[in-house]
Amino acid sequence: RKEVEQDPGPFNVPEGATVAFNCTYSNSASQSFFWYRQDCRKEPKLLMSVYSSGNEDGRFTAQLNRASQYISLLIRDSKLSDSATYLCVVKEYKLSFGAGTTVTVRA
Amino acid sequence: GAVVSQHPSWVICKSGTSVKIECRSLDFQATTMFWYRQFPKQSLMLMATSNEGSKATYEQGVEKDKFLINHASLTLSTLTVTSAHPEDSSFYICSATEPGAYEQYFGPGTRLTVT
Repeated sequence: RKEVEQDPGPFNVPEGATVAFNCTYSNSASQSFFWYRQDCRKEPKLLMSVYSSGNEDGRFTAQLNRASQYISLLIRDSKLSDSATYLCVVKEYKLSFGAGTTVTVRA
Repeated sequence: GAVVSQHPSWVICKSGTSVKIECRSLDFQATTMFWYRQFPKQSLMLMATSNEGSKATYEQGVEKDKFLINHASLTLSTLTVTSAHPEDSSFYICSATEPGAYEQYFGPGTRLTVT
């Protein structure tokens, strides 16, 4: 079983729409949780950390459910520039990456 | 933010040759550097963790004699893919952390194609 599982998508949404997706993780000892963004053929970049109480960063909202071991990301008012692959990442001693969820925002 | 560079950004080599990839922290000292590999449409997989001045710690299934890692200074780590084969073709990404910090800063990656 993979440590981090994500729906690969793609999620195709129009500009201005809301899109949400989540991931599940298998290691209950995971301590830290993140969403990274990866553009095609580029390195991953930290989008936001995810806290137990849920947190928001502009149009992005992340939630963590430790009991069910899943993490979600919601993007409001999608922009064309949000088109990317979003990587769910969990950490106990090392970072474990999901394979990513691809989001395509169309004009 | 902290900047990590990699060189080369892409390389094509013939089967059987060795390729060296450099990872540098440009504006901070990196006590720990990480090497990842990513195949198309797959997740980044940690290959090894290297601490300056000591031997790298390899993840299960990664051959240490094939993927040689050297972390000789606080700003430079190198990964050498020895006797490369087509199945080694992948996107290799390094990352680095500052002492006491948790965030990893990723390099831009090196795309290796072995023909």
